[in-house]
Amino acid sequence: QVQLQESGPGLVKPSQTLSLTCTVSGSSVLSGGYYWSWIRQHPGKGLEWIGYFYYGGSTYYNPSLKSRVSMSVDTSKNQFSLKLSSVTAADTAVYYCARGPKSRGVTLLWGQGTLVTVSS
Amino acid sequence: EIVMTQSPVTLSVSPGERATLSCRASQSVSSSLAWYQQTPGQAPRLLIYDAFTRATDIPARFSGSGSGTEFTLTISSLQSEDFAVYYCQQYNNWPWTFGQGTKVDIK
Repeated sequence: QVQLQESGPGLVKPSQTLSLTCTVSGSSVLSGGYYWSWIRQHPGKGLEWIGYFYYGGSTYYNPSLKSRVSMSVDTSKNQFSLKLSSVTAADTAVYYCARGPKSRGVTLLWGQGTLVTVSS
Repeated sequence: EIVMTQSPVTLSVSPGERATLSCRASQSVSSSLAWYQQTPGQAPRLLIYDAFTRATDIPARFSGSGSGTEFTLTISSLQSEDFAVYYCQQYNNWPWTFGQGTKVDIK
């Protein structure tokens, strides 16, 4: 059974960098048939794509966040990570890591989500 | 960025009744449209993709229709577990974008 699990600090100070890791079990981030992504949900509000990548392919970032976001993969640990710099209160959200089929931009598998609060 | 607009914001329905949810795209997304269901404290669950194809293990009471800019999700006979928030999402153009959601609650 494939599972995704987010981890990282639940509280980040304004202007600092938010760092999260997604640990994948039951599948490999090297799997060519899938994309891996980060999606966030502001409290009580809708969903926003942060970015996605295919292993061995390109990484795509939401233009609204592109100047502040980076994603990376650690194949030795079967993990992928998110960094979001210069955070403000507007970055407070539940952050999900997710997986979808490479053939279309839908998400079939989600992590449980982790709440990150930006506050001093 | 393609803006997805859902209506209504809230839909009050009695169990066993039919629910019809709408989603409009600011420009054509062809049939690259998905619907998700989210219950409190849970991640979204994919219901429909390619505008009308049910995802694995999704009951037949859920159906999708539409193309271009106008889409509909229909739940033919609401069950207790269907009271939730529903989101549409386009994946025709990056960044992929979601609607703001429609909450289906008990009348």
